[in-house]
Amino acid sequence: DQQVKQNSPSLSVQEGRISILNCDYTNSMFDYFLWYKKYPAEGPTFLISISSIKDKNEDGRFTVFLNKSAKHLSLHIVPSQPGDSAVYFCAATFSSNTGKLIFGQGTTLQVKP
Amino acid sequence: DAGVIQSPRHEVTEMGQEVTLRCKPISGHNSLFWYRQTMMRGLELLIYFNNNVPIDDSGMPEDRFSAKMPNASFSTLKIQPSEPRDSAVYFCASSISGRAYEQYFGPGTRLTVT
Repeated sequence: DQQVKQNSPSLSVQEGRISILNCDYTNSMFDYFLWYKKYPAEGPTFLISISSIKDKNEDGRFTVFLNKSAKHLSLHIVPSQPGDSAVYFCAATFSSNTGKLIFGQGTTLQVKP
Repeated sequence: DAGVIQSPRHEVTEMGQEVTLRCKPISGHNSLFWYRQTMMRGLELLIYFNNNVPIDDSGMPEDRFSAKMPNASFSTLKIQPSEPRDSAVYFCASSISGRAYEQYFGPGTRLTVT
């Protein structure tokens, strides 16, 4: 039973364009959502988060949108840069304090120069 | 400032052998997490500690797996006996209270059991 799903295993975009990574979840009790980025041979790094009481959070080139009615969130990267090429994991938790994260399978983003 | 340190980075062992993975969290962090990443199951939480106390070990696959945190600066994940299906990358992560979702991951240990 996969509670957090990233249905697109890979995405390729041109440098300077927008990258949109999608994530769906099934449990309406999730309270906090995160995006992590992972380069090869490294551990994931925290990118951006959003509380369930918000619908948008922005940090520089990265914006996360949450649609609770659709149980869907997305990460927008604009403009995309070659250094953004990595695996992006969506994650969810029932509480921002527990740290018990449930991760999606990941989407590999390739940004072409 | 050093990040999360894991050792060894790579481990190759034979089925039936005991394997011990080690982790040093970031100083000042009071939560520690062990994850396993496989192609089939993705990144899954095995166990996490808060202030050196195990809080949730529901992700530990079976009794062959055990984890300890004897102090705030050290944790181990042990597999005894190891099996080929345990082959995976094992990550350790740490965080601070109040922002437990913002976890700092180590580089991982790639375990191969033959």
